[in-house]
Amino acid sequence: EAGVTQFPSHSVIEKGQTVTLRCDPISGHDNLYWYRRVMGKEIKFLLHFVKESKQDESGMPNNRFLAERTGGTYSTLKVQPAELEDSGVYFCASSQVAWSSYNSPLHFGNGTRLTVT
Amino acid sequence: GENVEQHPSTLSVQEGDSAVIKCTYSDSASNYFPWYKQELGKRPQLIIDIRSNVGEKKDQRIAVTLNKTAKHFSLHITETQPEDSAVYFCARGEGSQGNLIFGKGTKLSVKP
Repeated sequence: EAGVTQFPSHSVIEKGQTVTLRCDPISGHDNLYWYRRVMGKEIKFLLHFVKESKQDESGMPNNRFLAERTGGTYSTLKVQPAELEDSGVYFCASSQVAWSSYNSPLHFGNGTRLTVT
Repeated sequence: GENVEQHPSTLSVQEGDSAVIKCTYSDSASNYFPWYKQELGKRPQLIIDIRSNVGEKKDQRIAVTLNKTAKHFSLHITETQPEDSAVYFCARGEGSQGNLIFGKGTKLSVKP
């Protein structure tokens, strides 16, 4: 099966610009997560979709971040306007059901490395 | 707190030696503890996980132990090989819907 795919793999933008990251989960996976890793720090949870609904968005840092999952398939994460501290690697992950199901681990994408200059 | 403390941040071992990475947490409601391996430039991949109803799980050269009383869990890699070199992340499962809380990662280097 195709894995979780993310686009772009790298993005370099200037402070104040807008960037949109895309994630295509594994087909059939209702659960989609966004995580971010700032260099040297933990992989930090941003939000969780179940199908098209936001199940938990407690990790979103501020209102400059907007995530959508129209139709419950792919998801986008938009940062507008970008700030220097937004730099990091943004990971998307998906699972068929919540992780609490033994046979449904999180599958990560390769991530998008965002650099804000 | 909700964080997971992971130690050490870097670990260098000789090929064939064992490597141990330890994580601690404070939320006693946590009941799922996965470990992810991220090779350079690649995606994090699940290598082993353990649930709170067992104390130890082993898969070939990799084992995870869990001490729920002390709230810590550890990854053990025996007979390390250069291809084990990567960043390893521990995590704990919170709630029933899938928010994983990750540690800061351990960069393991296995020298041939």
